[in-house]
Amino acid sequence: DAKTTQPNSMESNEEEPVHLPCNHSTISGTDYIHWYRQLPSQGPEYVIHGLTSNVNNRMASLAIAEDRKSSTLILHRATLRDAAVYYCILFNTDKLIFGTGTRLQVFP
Amino acid sequence: EAQVTQNPRYLITVTGKKLTVTCSQNMNHEYMSWYRQDPGLGLRQIYYSMNVEVTDKGDVPEGYKVSRKEKRNFPLILESPSPNQTSLYFCASRDWSSYEQYFGPGTRLTVT
Repeated sequence: DAKTTQPNSMESNEEEPVHLPCNHSTISGTDYIHWYRQLPSQGPEYVIHGLTSNVNNRMASLAIAEDRKSSTLILHRATLRDAAVYYCILFNTDKLIFGTGTRLQVFP
Repeated sequence: EAQVTQNPRYLITVTGKKLTVTCSQNMNHEYMSWYRQDPGLGLRQIYYSMNVEVTDKGDVPEGYKVSRKEKRNFPLILESPSPNQTSLYFCASRDWSSYEQYFGPGTRLTVT
């Protein structure tokens, strides 16, 4: 199973943009890049996913490198509620393989 | 409201006493799965089910059983719990036409 590498933690101030990086150098052509986040004391929740092109939704944007070996989740204006562990996951079968993610702290 | 529910949310039990954690979803999803979450190990898949009467092992199935008799329910059964099964458990579901997986609120299990 292809693996992802993320920083253990990142910090941001409220209302500033946040760029969460993810490396996936062994990605295959059929792997989708998924992002989930886990708020404190909750189950993971879907954030966004993409294959090759950049993607936007109401929660975030996903920027995918041209060679697909890395991607960046962009939160345009961080809020205190965005403090969570963010997981970058490669998906092409029936399961999500979670790593240890990036813990994002947001300061007022 | 679309949701995945789990019961109980918290459970403390003793070694060897059979228990069942229930999982139910109201979204008519075909796919359901169970994960456990442990510090430093992230979430690992225990079992999954692609539809009624179809189940398969995930990465850490030892010591667990599941059944899928109805589309909405996917209970996790621990026939003889042991302390190494102390963990936080999540049930999840998704529709085949969507990549988005919905997770339940979690069940914190302690086996003494």
